[in-house]
Amino acid sequence: ELKVEQNPLFLSMQEGKNYTIYCNYSTTSDRLYWYRQDPGKSLESLFVLLSNGAVKQEGRLMASLDTKARLSTLHITAAVHDLSATYFCAVLSDSNYQLIWGAGTKLIIKP
Amino acid sequence: SAVISQKPSRDICQRGTSLTIQCQVDSQVTMMFWYRQQPGQSLTLIATANQGSEATYESGFVIDKFPISRPNLTFSTLTVSNMSPEDSSIYLCSVETGGLYGYTFGSGTRLTVV
Repeated sequence: ELKVEQNPLFLSMQEGKNYTIYCNYSTTSDRLYWYRQDPGKSLESLFVLLSNGAVKQEGRLMASLDTKARLSTLHITAAVHDLSATYFCAVLSDSNYQLIWGAGTKLIIKP
Repeated sequence: SAVISQKPSRDICQRGTSLTIQCQVDSQVTMMFWYRQQPGQSLTLIATANQGSEATYESGFVIDKFPISRPNLTFSTLTVSNMSPEDSSIYLCSVETGGLYGYTFGSGTRLTVV
């Protein structure tokens, strides 16, 4: 059974700092997704990672995928308050093609 | 990517009643997914709805409690039946838009059962 572990679950940081959110998964998969959710809102797609070594960047966010290590990272560079949200990773199961979700990382960025 | 219109956005319901949530997609999609998200939690898949066949429910969810309709390739409904306060959650529909876009979500329905 595919399991997805995300850490940390909660992160409070100062503006201008860098930090990384980690997403580990337990079995093989070749698709990993990162989403952002603002309080009371739906999920916004950030990145779709489809192959080993994939790296995508959008503004201050960069996501990477290492399928051999079964690890994806979401790196935040020079954080700004507007990035405060909950970030989820989700992995597509090879066996039943369902998305398996991490628990989410609640990110608070203080001015 | 697809655009999903989900209604209602929120509702407060009496226990024992039912609520039907609708999702309309602006393009034809094979599968639609229904999720529940309890406060402060991650997403839990309720069921997968294919047009023309019965929905496939995940462990812990049953058709009598969460009946789903999928009359065509752009529309689906989820009913939360005989509600109790434990059903208070956000309910989300989702479709796979493929390739670079991944999965798109509706705006969500925030349900409070009193």
